[in-house]
Amino acid sequence: GAGVSQTPSNKVTEKGKYVELRCDPISGHTALYWYRQSLGQGPEFLIYFQGTGAADDSGLPNDRFFAVRPEGSVSTLKIQRTERGDSAVYLCASSLRVENEQFFGPGTRLTVL
Amino acid sequence: AQRVTQPEKLLSVFKGAPVELKCNYSYSGSPELFWYVQYSRQRLQLLLRHISRESIKGFTADLNKGETSFHLKKPFAQEEDSAMYYCALSPLDSSYKLIFGSGTRLLVRP
Repeated sequence: GAGVSQTPSNKVTEKGKYVELRCDPISGHTALYWYRQSLGQGPEFLIYFQGTGAADDSGLPNDRFFAVRPEGSVSTLKIQRTERGDSAVYLCASSLRVENEQFFGPGTRLTVL
Repeated sequence: AQRVTQPEKLLSVFKGAPVELKCNYSYSGSPELFWYVQYSRQRLQLLLRHISRESIKGFTADLNKGETSFHLKKPFAQEEDSAMYYCALSPLDSSYKLIFGSGTRLLVRP
């Protein structure tokens, strides 16, 4: 079956612009996660959704970052006023329930010039 | 603080040699521990988790609470094992969260 998908695969933007990154989880998975992976580092937790609600957004670095999952399926990570330090690979993962294995998407590579 | 440390950025071995990828963690309690692997041009995937006590692709990992370590081992490395390996922990009070180390690149040479 289809795994987690993320679009776009690459995004280049200019400092100060707004970007949206999309995640399509595996069908039926109730839990969804966003991570950020900077060069040479492991993934870093950003936010966890259970259904439509953000159960833990403690990993979002500041208020320029926001994520939604309005219908409990697709999620969008939104970054306002992008900065060069936001450049990273943004990974999405989903799991059937929170206690189950997390399946990762291929990531979106964001480059802020 | 909750932290995972993988001291080696790169580990290079010859085919057939034993492999040990080191992972140390800092957590006040008993976390759940994982190894994730990312092969070239593929997505991050779970290799094994300590509670399942399985051997996957010949790899095993033993949790040593005294040394707070969860090293990944394989007795005879294969070329197809070449990949990026990440150790991760999941805190008991927020089991949905994975805290990753910075990863070790394993290169198995013919």
